[in-house]
Amino acid sequence: GDSVTQMEGPVTLSEEAFLTINCTYTATGYPSLFWYVQYPGEGLQLLLKATKADDKGSNKGFEATYRKETTSFHLEKGSVQVSDSAVYFCALADDKIIFGKGTRLHILP
Amino acid sequence: DSGVTQTPKHLITATGQRVTLRCSPRSGDLSVYWYQQSLDQGLQFLIQYYNGEERAKGNILERFSAQQFPDLHSELNLSSLELGDSALYFCASSVGDGRTTDTQYFGPGTRLTVL
Repeated sequence: GDSVTQMEGPVTLSEEAFLTINCTYTATGYPSLFWYVQYPGEGLQLLLKATKADDKGSNKGFEATYRKETTSFHLEKGSVQVSDSAVYFCALADDKIIFGKGTRLHILP
Repeated sequence: DSGVTQTPKHLITATGQRVTLRCSPRSGDLSVYWYQQSLDQGLQFLIQYYNGEERAKGNILERFSAQQFPDLHSELNLSSLELGDSALYFCASSVGDGRTTDTQYFGPGTRLTVL
């Protein structure tokens, strides 16, 4: 069946560092791909999405490109801030949505 | 604020008891989803309703049930509670029936503690 694998955390970086959180997927169809973020004490909220191969989703300085050839949707940000500390979930939606286990990100000032 | 509301925010109860969690979706959204988030299991999809009908089922135990009412709010009923049911329960809503491009909007969650 469909699945999502994302890098285990926690990931700890200093402010202004470059961020990559890896996400790969397996799917039989042509899913849409998402990154959701969960800030402390809150529910998940959509960060960005891509609906077809080679699409790039972007929001708040974060980017991810839908790569069909490598079945990946890695999340990147050029310069992280302390306020980016949160848990990040990669997800795919085909017939139903499937979430990865989440990656906790800590940004140190 | 996502526009999805959940009540109560916190719930503390004893093993063997029954509780009901309530969710009101965003205005105009027809789908409601329920998730369980725990430290060891991560985020688990439980069940989805679309316009009053069950649309998809995930890892929902037989002790749990849900329904969506004509006004589109939803309730998740958890019975014969066990210690392991302690978790955060999230509700989410979306406009459509949950197919590929649907974005889900999450509520703030209900934290259930079973003692």
